[in-house]
Amino acid sequence: AAGVIQSPRHLIKEKRETATLKCYPIPRHDTVYWYQQGPGQDPQFLISFYEKMQSDKGSIPDRFSAQQFSDYHSELNMSSLELGDSALYFCASSFRGNTIYFGEGSWLTVV
Amino acid sequence: AQTVTQSQPEMSVQEAETVTLSCTYDTSESDYYLFWYKQPPSRQMILVIRQEAYKQQNATENRFSVNFQKAAKSFSLKISDSQLGDAAMYFCAYKGSSGDKLTFGTGTRLAVRP
Repeated sequence: AAGVIQSPRHLIKEKRETATLKCYPIPRHDTVYWYQQGPGQDPQFLISFYEKMQSDKGSIPDRFSAQQFSDYHSELNMSSLELGDSALYFCASSFRGNTIYFGEGSWLTVV
Repeated sequence: AQTVTQSQPEMSVQEAETVTLSCTYDTSESDYYLFWYKQPPSRQMILVIRQEAYKQQNATENRFSVNFQKAAKSFSLKISDSQLGDAAMYFCAYKGSSGDKLTFGTGTRLAVRP
């Protein structure tokens, strides 16, 4: 069965640079979520999209933005990167707000 | 706001034995979903089991079952016949019917002794 696809899987950036993470949800899923998981922490909700419109917003820094495109894939843009942005970023998707399935995550390291 | 509490930071179980992980939550909603996710060292987030609040019957998935006590707002996970591959961090999570996102507990790290 198709799963949530995230790219890149690993990313190393320098401070103050910009990073873009991509997510391809499970086919026919209508909602995409982004989560950030720091070392030793539980995942923290960043933002979600339902049918390409922002549906909910969590603790997402102003330096971060996201959108969902017409083909339902989503991108998380992170600018002016800080050391504290180093984390595992999950994309997840669901159909009609039902069970949420996660991708394998994108590891971001800021040096 | 909904909160999820996992009071056991670490648990240990002997291979082939049974272990129960605890989870409590706080909500004012009457209709919601509860989940257990497993996060092995690979850091993948794997769905283990889900429970709809309107269903009185406890969910079961092979060796995994839950004890859902709606009035007590308790949602524990029982792992039977524990295997070495069950060693992981387990997160309890809440999802409201009207809300969108998952709210996670802080996790319980399960070790399985051979």
